[in-house]
Amino acid sequence: QKEVEQNSGPLSVPEGAIASLNCTYSDRVSQSFFWYRQYSGKSPELIMSIYSNGDKEDGRFTAQLNKASQYVSLLIRDSQPSDSATYLCAVNPRTNAGKSTFGDGTTLTVKP
Amino acid sequence: KAGVTQTPRYLIKTRGQQVTLSCSPISGHRSVSWYQQTPGQGLQFLFEYFSETQRNKGNFPGRFSGRQFSNSRSEMNVSTLELGDSALYLCASSLTVNTGELFFGEGSRLTVL
Repeated sequence: QKEVEQNSGPLSVPEGAIASLNCTYSDRVSQSFFWYRQYSGKSPELIMSIYSNGDKEDGRFTAQLNKASQYVSLLIRDSQPSDSATYLCAVNPRTNAGKSTFGDGTTLTVKP
Repeated sequence: KAGVTQTPRYLIKTRGQQVTLSCSPISGHRSVSWYQQTPGQGLQFLFEYFSETQRNKGNFPGRFSGRQFSNSRSEMNVSTLELGDSALYLCASSLTVNTGELFFGEGSRLTVL
């Protein structure tokens, strides 16, 4: 079992729809959770971080964390073609910078 | 504020050679981490440095090594290159060891022939 697993994708949604990206992790002591966006040919860019159970909203993005279920998700509302990218889920076992374990990513395509 | 700078951006080597990659973190950031990204394995953690000390190391052979200088700049070295070392090598900086929020450079794309 991989430490961090994401929807295999690819995921395709129409413009304006809600895109839902999911991630599960195996290490129960994980405490820090991150979503990165990676455009084709570019490096990952941090878009959301979440540390406690519940929802965290930032503009059109909402991260959701459920530590009991070892599950973290990213919702993108009003999806735009510019959101088309690979989304990487990352998990830290403790607040320990640089030791993030990444999922394989889910590729999202938003169709106009 | 300048971002993370990696050099060189592209390089081609042959099997058996060695390579050194350089990373300058964001000004004021003291932690530098290195990742290898390949289509088959995704992002794999190589090592992390803070205050010139290696704090964590991933599951890579000893051919992969790194160091950090007093100005937080970092280098990684791969000796005796193998075809499987072809990858995008990404450097990420972080303010301190406790943030977990990584800022990546554009990467160094290594091709081993």
